[in-house]
Amino acid sequence: DAMVIQNPRYQVTQFGKPVTLSCSQTLNHNVMYWYQQKSSQAPKLLFHYYDKDFNNEADTPDNFQSRRPNTSFCFLDIRSPGLGDAAMYLCATSRGTAQNTEAFFGQGTRLTVV
Amino acid sequence: ELKVEQNPLFLSMQEGKNYTIYCNYSTTSDRLYWYRQDPGKSLESLFVLLSNGAVKQEGRLMASLDTKARLSTLHITAAVHDLSATYFCAVAWDSWGKLQFGAGTQVVVTP
Repeated sequence: DAMVIQNPRYQVTQFGKPVTLSCSQTLNHNVMYWYQQKSSQAPKLLFHYYDKDFNNEADTPDNFQSRRPNTSFCFLDIRSPGLGDAAMYLCATSRGTAQNTEAFFGQGTRLTVV
Repeated sequence: ELKVEQNPLFLSMQEGKNYTIYCNYSTTSDRLYWYRQDPGKSLESLFVLLSNGAVKQEGRLMASLDTKARLSTLHITAAVHDLSATYFCAVAWDSWGKLQFGAGTQVVVTP
């Protein structure tokens, strides 16, 4: 039944050690997004893909990269995590048509940096 | 830059009473969403509002959208403890559906 699946649910990584978070979808949606949500804050968009076209938000740090090898999967790579990157990372998808941009969110991955 | 303002940011509710959360936004959009978030969890979709005058109701929650005033409201009727959570409004501001979130309203319902 799950439609947007994120793995792992909890990730602990060491300061400066690269980490990858994954997201998969069974909805066949064109658009996939990554949002970062720090404690007691609103989610903030990092980037999105429309099919294979990558779109970075202007204020997303270079430390964050993403890959979308196919329609179903999208990865968030953090090259050198700092303590300030500890957050909940939310993956979402949408059809991406003018009539339908409703976003469907995964369960999130909570990242801890030690 | 699109700004989305939610108020209040914190709402202490008494069980059985009615309350309203407001969401104002700064640019034209006819796609507004309300989400609920429990501590440590992801976002749960509550309402999708896609046109001026849209009104949707689910249980004790009712949401409406006035695109001319750039205002959405989330009305809670006869609050119960189970409604304690953080509520976010979000506005889709481009054709890709990128969302700009309000700061969230933390709701605590007490007897």
